[in-house]
Amino acid sequence: ILNVEQSPQSLHVQEGDSTNFTCSFPSSNFYALHWYRWETAKSPEALFVMTLNGDEKKKGRISATLNTKEGYSYLYIKGSQPEDSATYLCAQETSGSRLTFGEGTQLTVNP
Amino acid sequence: DADVTQTPRNRITKTGKRIMLECSQTKGHDRMYWYRQDPGLGLRLIYYSFDVKDINKGEISDGYSVSRQAQAKFSLSLESAIPNQTALYFCATSDPREGARTDTQYFGPGTRLTVL
Repeated sequence: ILNVEQSPQSLHVQEGDSTNFTCSFPSSNFYALHWYRWETAKSPEALFVMTLNGDEKKKGRISATLNTKEGYSYLYIKGSQPEDSATYLCAQETSGSRLTFGEGTQLTVNP
Repeated sequence: DADVTQTPRNRITKTGKRIMLECSQTKGHDRMYWYRQDPGLGLRLIYYSFDVKDINKGEISDGYSVSRQAQAKFSLSLESAIPNQTALYFCATSDPREGARTDTQYFGPGTRLTVL
């Protein structure tokens, strides 16, 4: 069983702040890394999937990077807004489509 | 309308009762999954199915069973519910495109189950 860890567990920032959080995963036999955004009472939604060392993905103010050699991914949010408040989940995909999730980082953006 | 729906959205039951959680999807995906989420833990895979005739155990299948009635329907059953099965349960679907390396999963809204 893979061990995917996220830090911090929770984070409070002020509107306009930029922030980032970390997902670490076993680097051996890496296949793919997914980021999901989960708002309370809603379905987790896919943000990014990354497969190659050095990959960078961006969607609006949110971006992610991947380092498969050292086993980590960063998610960045530039100029946080209250609507960014959510739990951000990362998951490592193994060949065969199984996802192993981290425990998530709960982000609260205060107006 | 949501592509992946779960019923019920909330359920309170008693220890020993049989419970079925249902998942339906209109995405036309072959692959379906059941996860549970507990506070402080990531989503953990209970069972998954890659087509109607395929059922596979995930990492925490004990105490659960599933039925894939059709491509669009995947049900999770708790034969005799116990309090430590109190959790948020998610259904998900996926359908890797031909030639695609990765397989993004699409989640339902979750079912919150409380076992007293």
